[in-house]
Amino acid sequence: DQQVKQNSPSLSVQEGRISILNCDYTNSMFDYFLWYKKYPAEGPTFLISISSIKDKNEDGRFTVFLNKSAKHLSLHIVPSQPGDSAVYFCAASLSNTGKLIFGQGTTLQVKP
Amino acid sequence: DAGVTQSPTHLIKTRGQQVTLRCSPKSGHDTVSWYQQALGQGPQFIFQYYEEEERQRGNFPDRFSGHQFPNYSSELNVNALLLGDSALYLCASSLAGLVQETQYFGPGTRLLVL
Repeated sequence: DQQVKQNSPSLSVQEGRISILNCDYTNSMFDYFLWYKKYPAEGPTFLISISSIKDKNEDGRFTVFLNKSAKHLSLHIVPSQPGDSAVYFCAASLSNTGKLIFGQGTTLQVKP
Repeated sequence: DAGVTQSPTHLIKTRGQQVTLRCSPKSGHDTVSWYQQALGQGPQFIFQYYEEEERQRGNFPDRFSGHQFPNYSSELNVNALLLGDSALYLCASSLAGLVQETQYFGPGTRLLVL
């Protein structure tokens, strides 16, 4: 029972263009969503989060959008840089449960 | 400001053996969570420790157990190892008491069971 899904295993974009990574979830009770970036041989690095009471959160080049009715969130990276090449995971949680549920990840390649 | 640290970085065991993995949380954090990441998958929640007690548990058998010490560091123990336990084990720390906790991860311990 995959409650959080990232349906695109990989994405390739040109440097300077926008990268859009997508994530779908099934549990409408989730109220906090996070994006992590992971390089090989390293642990996931926290990027950005959003509470279910918001529909957008922005931090520099990174913006997360939440569409609760569609149970969908997306991460926009503008402009994309070669250093952004990594695996991106979305995760969801219920407040005060301490448990993050992750998607399978999307490998982003940004070409110079 | 030290981040989350884990030891060892790599480990090779044989089936049936037992293993202990260690984690020190980020400075100021009091809660430790453990995750298992199989190849090509996202991390899966094993359990979380707060105030030296298991606060939440995922869908893992009793062979997986843990401990949290007064200094907030934590251990993950796996008994009777199976080939399928081969994975990257990640520790994450956070600060309890927040409505929505952001977890910060360590580099992980890669376990290979032969």
